Amino acid sequence: EPEVTQTPSHQVTQMGQEVILRCVPISNHLYFYWYRQILGQKVEFLVSFYNNEISEKSEIFDDQFSVERPDGSNFTLKIRSTKLEDSAMYFCATMQGRQTEAFFGQGTRLTVV
Amino acid sequence: KNEVEQSPQNLTAQEGEFITINCSYSVGISALHWLQQHPGGGIVSLFMLSSGKKKHGRLIATINIQEKHSSLHITASHPRDSAVYICAVPNTGNQFYFGTGTSLTVIP
Repeated sequence: EPEVTQTPSHQVTQMGQEVILRCVPISNHLYFYWYRQILGQKVEFLVSFYNNEISEKSEIFDDQFSVERPDGSNFTLKIRSTKLEDSAMYFCATMQGRQTEAFFGQGTRLTVV
Repeated sequence: KNEVEQSPQNLTAQEGEFITINCSYSVGISALHWLQQHPGGGIVSLFMLSSGKKKHGRLIATINIQEKHSSLHITASHPRDSAVYICAVPNTGNQFYFGTGTSLTVIP
């Protein structure tokens, strides 16, 4: 069964450091998303990406965040200068088309200390 | 403002019980997704439905578009069903609004 792969599974970083979270989407999927879940809270939308550009982003996705698809396969989320409140589980999700099934990665647990 | 409301928030059941989790939403949608989040955190898609009913094994999902309500049922529940079940609806931009989740514990 096709799957979305995220790396690393867990990352610990010092406040102020840059982190890059990586996602390998399913090969024929066209829509890519990053979501996050702070411990004990519900999953929140960060950003959607289609046709090599951001299609929508939330208020959370400020200038510290960026996404790109550098080599046509990996889909990355970069946090430029991490804050304590960035500690969360980050999920990548991909969809083949609009209104199709969503496939989620296993998540990257980011801990900022 | 919550676009997606789930109930109950927590549910404990004895093995073998029939379980129902409810989801109400306020946004107009064309499809609703039920997701399962395991204790380790990973999310798995269970159903995507836009009308009527879908069944997969012991899981049944129903939706009433007019009433903006969906239910997830688990028949003959088993301890391995213990997880958080999340209802999610996409907006016109295809990003999801997530419910707060229902934490299910099935006791042997």
